Amino acid sequence: GAVVSQHPSWVICKSGTSVKIECRSLDFQATTMFWYRQFPKQSLMLMATSNEGSKATYEQGVEKDKFLINHASLTLSTLTVTSAHPEDSSFYICSASIQTVTDTQYFGPGTRLTVL
Amino acid sequence: RKEVEQDPGPFNVPEGATVAFNCTYSNSASQSFFWYRQDCRKEPKLLMSVYSSGNEDGRFTAQLNRASQYISLLIRDSKLSDSATYLCVVTRGSTLGRLYFGRGTQLTVWP
Repeated sequence: GAVVSQHPSWVICKSGTSVKIECRSLDFQATTMFWYRQFPKQSLMLMATSNEGSKATYEQGVEKDKFLINHASLTLSTLTVTSAHPEDSSFYICSASIQTVTDTQYFGPGTRLTVL
Repeated sequence: RKEVEQDPGPFNVPEGATVAFNCTYSNSASQSFFWYRQDCRKEPKLLMSVYSSGNEDGRFTAQLNRASQYISLLIRDSKLSDSATYLCVVTRGSTLGRLYFGRGTQLTVWP
């Protein structure tokens, strides 16, 4: 099946620093990628939808200037958490769609961010 | 009201038991329905799609009732390896590709 990778798988950083997370579709071209955040014992919450070559669409309540998304190619999307704070500590997961006519998504393994 | 509601559990059952999970969704325009499985600290993995006619995959049976906006998952002959959180997921036709996740139902199968 389709494979999506994320890097890094975990990261610990100091408060105030920025962290970049990469999401790659390894064996297919993803026109759309999605970024989710999941707090402990909570559901996955969609943060933004990323389309290759255009600006990301952010969900209500998600600060676009804090969570920068770049989808420069059909196989790579990046999420940068700027000026991270302890409350940004969470499990960040990306997913990718092969086509926009299907609801099938393939999830990356996730990135666990801890901000000290 | 949340888009997708699930009983968070936890459900603790012995091996070999049959367990059922329920899920309701609020938007009648919901188009596609899925059950995902998520292990601790891992990404969700698609378990099965859910169709109006009901569908079965080995020990797993999923049912959809559009009139009641209700989805179920039945697991027969539970295995230790079934221990996980089961996520009910729906999509809408108007927002292609966007998944709406339930909070998940935690299942622990004990020997």
